[in-house]
Amino acid sequence: KAGVTQTPRYLIKTRGQQVTLSCSPISGHRSVSWYQQTPGQGLQFLFEYFSETQRNKGNFPGRFSGRQFSNSRSEMNVSTLELGDSALYLCASSLEVGELFFGEGSRLTVL
Amino acid sequence: AQSVTQPDIHITVSEGASLELRCNYSYGATPYLFWYVQSPGQGLQLLLKYFSGDTLVQGIKGFEAEFKRSQSSFNLRKPSVHWSDAAEYFCAVVPSNAGNNRKLIWGLGTSLAVNP
Repeated sequence: KAGVTQTPRYLIKTRGQQVTLSCSPISGHRSVSWYQQTPGQGLQFLFEYFSETQRNKGNFPGRFSGRQFSNSRSEMNVSTLELGDSALYLCASSLEVGELFFGEGSRLTVL
Repeated sequence: AQSVTQPDIHITVSEGASLELRCNYSYGATPYLFWYVQSPGQGLQLLLKYFSGDTLVQGIKGFEAEFKRSQSSFNLRKPSVHWSDAAEYFCAVVPSNAGNNRKLIWGLGTSLAVNP
């Protein structure tokens, strides 16, 4: 069974631009979560989607948004990028409470 | 506030030595408990979990963890460390009574280095 796939793996943007990251969960998994990982802040929860509905949301500004499609694939978008948005963005899918299957992440660099 | 503490930011052990990584949580009730590992440049992988029952749980890669209710702890152990165990280790919890609000609460991680 294929794992969680995130695209793109690496990307470089400049301040003010926007970015869209994609996540394909493991087949059959309806829950998709997104995390931001930085060296100083650790893993910060962004949001969780389940069956196309946002079920949980972290404490991020409205520039961070996401959605989930009927096939469970998910995207997250960051608008008006800031230098501080440089991070590894991780997507995870799950079937059971707390048992997350992570992708390898999308590393975003904002210049 | 609910929180997870990993007191050790960085640990270095010699290959073949035993390992214990500490994790403490603060909740009113026993939560569901997890340990994840992140190898360099990779996503996270679940090592083991505790929901209920036997307080000593076995995981993948030879790891085990023991839940101690009296100490609100869920420490990760391995009897003999291999060089490939060098990674970042994260403890995480979910309140058992969270209903649909079941997002994981994460510790900040412990970075493990292994000396040859």
